[in-house]
Amino acid sequence: IVMTQSPATLSVSPGERATLSCRASQSVSSSLAWYQQKPGQAPRLLIYGASSRATGIPARFSGSGSGTEFTLTISSLQSEDFAVYYCQHYINWPLTFGGGTKVEIK
Amino acid sequence: EVQLLESGGGLEQPGGSLRLSCAASGFTFSTYAMSWVRQAPGKGLEWLSSINYSGTGTYYADSVKGRFTISRDNSKNTLYLQVNGLRAEDTAVYYCAKEHIARAGMDFDYWGQGTLVTVSS
Repeated sequence: IVMTQSPATLSVSPGERATLSCRASQSVSSSLAWYQQKPGQAPRLLIYGASSRATGIPARFSGSGSGTEFTLTISSLQSEDFAVYYCQHYINWPLTFGGGTKVEIK
Repeated sequence: EVQLLESGGGLEQPGGSLRLSCAASGFTFSTYAMSWVRQAPGKGLEWLSSINYSGTGTYYADSVKGRFTISRDNSKNTLYLQVNGLRAEDTAVYYCAKEHIARAGMDFDYWGQGTLVTVSS
């Protein structure tokens, strides 16, 4: 299953909404996770099951979608949210990640 | 507190071998599947291999099948990745990662800090 993320780079001003997309080449049902990665750090789980926030993740992060189309929304970008975001399916083997979306300061 | 601490990375020549380790603490290691994910410099995440909670089931990406072997020692709370036949394109940070919810799907809630493998002559 190929995971395609768009856009590759998203320029957003602090306080604005960011909408990131992830598309699967075939249905992954709701077996979809989103991660945030900052430079020099390991990824952090944000969303699992397409729409459930992981422990300690702020409410401004939300996930939606099922099947082949998924969205990660950050409702009001904070300075600490500028990072790279990856989606990953886990419906079957092999697991695959999307290529990432870099959210940068506009 | 959950901790995953990788070790064993370093500089290795093409064709060489390394054994990566991931020491786990802060959770019941024998309950959770574990995985290895790598990230080449400036690139995205690539899943490599997973092993179920007991060690009886292993899964590999095509890119490493036959060259890499995942294993675990539940008595030592440690995950391993034997990497053989190293190639330049294996140069990456190698992360171990913990299954989020036992036997509910392979998303990863905890990651180690990574160990760098550099393949060069």
